[in-house]
Amino acid sequence: AQSVTQPDIHITVSEGASLELRCNYSYGATPYLFWYVQSPGQGLQLLLKYFSGDTLVQGIKGFEAEFKRSQSSFNLRKPSVHWSDAAEYFCAVGARYGGATNKLIFGTGTLLAVQP
Amino acid sequence: EPEVTQTPSHQVTQMGQEVILRCVPISNHLYFYWYRQILGQKVEFLVSFYNNEISEKSEIFDDQFSVERPDGSNFTLKIRSTKLEDSAMYFCASGRGDQPQHFGDGTRLSIL
Repeated sequence: AQSVTQPDIHITVSEGASLELRCNYSYGATPYLFWYVQSPGQGLQLLLKYFSGDTLVQGIKGFEAEFKRSQSSFNLRKPSVHWSDAAEYFCAVGARYGGATNKLIFGTGTLLAVQP
Repeated sequence: EPEVTQTPSHQVTQMGQEVILRCVPISNHLYFYWYRQILGQKVEFLVSFYNNEISEKSEIFDDQFSVERPDGSNFTLKIRSTKLEDSAMYFCASGRGDQPQHFGDGTRLSIL
């Protein structure tokens, strides 16, 4: 069965420090992978996606993620965190499009706090 | 940039009442979805809708739930007889099949 694991429930980093949020997935084939960000009381904003090709993908707000097939991982990184990055981050896996479903399976999220 | 629009932003309903959550997907999208997020928990898939019919539903989506696309623009989720455990944030999403899903800002449903 498809699943997504985000092992870190809560992470605190200092402003200006680097960040890595972990995501591991279980899927029968190579999936589509996504990171979404959710600010309190807000919807889900897409940060970046991996469909195919270059395994290092760039997203908005200076985020990047690397797909590692051998580790079934898709970790999110940012070299220098800003206070405005404080939010909850969700990793999600989806089926390769072509079917009529294309549902997303989400991880439990990582809540990021940024210290001044 | 086009957006998925959800109304209302917050709905308060008495237990046992019917509620309809409304969504206007992005206009050229063909796939429509509802997800829910119980407070403090992860986002869960409820149902997908394509070509005017349900293409997949989760075990959460029981007989109390229904979806409809009554016209060319709206996509609704109806809960027939609400229960306390239906209290959650409900997200509508739409996609073109070859692009990631775009999410609305959600409707917070509170059942009293």
